[in-house]
Amino acid sequence: AQTVTQSQPEMSVQEAETVTLSCTYDTSESDYYLFWYKQPPSRQMILVIRQEAYKQQNATENRFSVNFQKAAKSFSLKISDSQLGDAAMYFCAGYIIQGAQKLVFGQGTRLTINP
Amino acid sequence: KAGVTQTPRYLIKTRGQQVTLSCSPISGHRSVSWYQQTPGQGLQFLFEYFSETQRNKGNFPGRFSGRQFSNSRSEMNVSTLELGDSALYLCASSSTPSGGMYEQYFGPGTRLTVT
Repeated sequence: AQTVTQSQPEMSVQEAETVTLSCTYDTSESDYYLFWYKQPPSRQMILVIRQEAYKQQNATENRFSVNFQKAAKSFSLKISDSQLGDAAMYFCAGYIIQGAQKLVFGQGTRLTINP
Repeated sequence: KAGVTQTPRYLIKTRGQQVTLSCSPISGHRSVSWYQQTPGQGLQFLFEYFSETQRNKGNFPGRFSGRQFSNSRSEMNVSTLELGDSALYLCASSSTPSGGMYEQYFGPGTRLTVT
C-alpha cells in the first residue's frame, strides 16, 4: 500500500522567486518511483520531474528540482525563477514497481504566480 | 511523436445511459492506464492494460470496464451512468510495463457530464 499526502492546498509566489511544494510518501516497499505532475487550466497532465527511490542524488530538470528524503518520507518540489506559465495544480505521485503498478496521486497543490 | 489522444473531449449523457471513451497511446507504447478525476475524490486509478490484457484494476464497480486492441488503442466503457460518474477521465500511456522508467504520459482527457 502507499499513501501520498500534499498538505498545502494552495501556494502563491512572486514571479522570479523560488517556491517549494511539499509531499510526503509512505510505503513499506523499497522499490518505487516518485513523480511531480503539473496540470494547468487546460487540464492536460504534464510530467515535470521523476525520482527513483534507490537513487540518492536528487533529480533536477532545468528550473525544477526535488529534495527526496527517503527516511523522512519527504519529496518536495522546488521551482526556481518562477514564471507565469508555472501557474497550475501540482500533483505528487508514487509508483510501486512490484505492486499494483499504478500511479497514486496526492490531492494537489494549486500554485499561483503573482506578477 | 504525437502525444496521447482521447476522444471525445467532451460528452454529455443522461443517467442510465452507457458511454464509451477512446484513447490512442503514444506510438510504441503498449501500456495504457485510465484514471478518473473528480473534485471530491481527486485522481483515482481505474485500470491498466498491456498487450490487450487487463493487468490491474482499481476499486470501481463493474459498470466500469475497458479493453485494449492489438494496436494498443484502448476504450473504456461505463454502463448505467450515475450522476457521480461525472468526471474528467484521463488516459495515460507508458512504454514499459515493468522495469525501466515508469513515466506515464497523459492525454488531454474526456470531460463526461451526466445529467
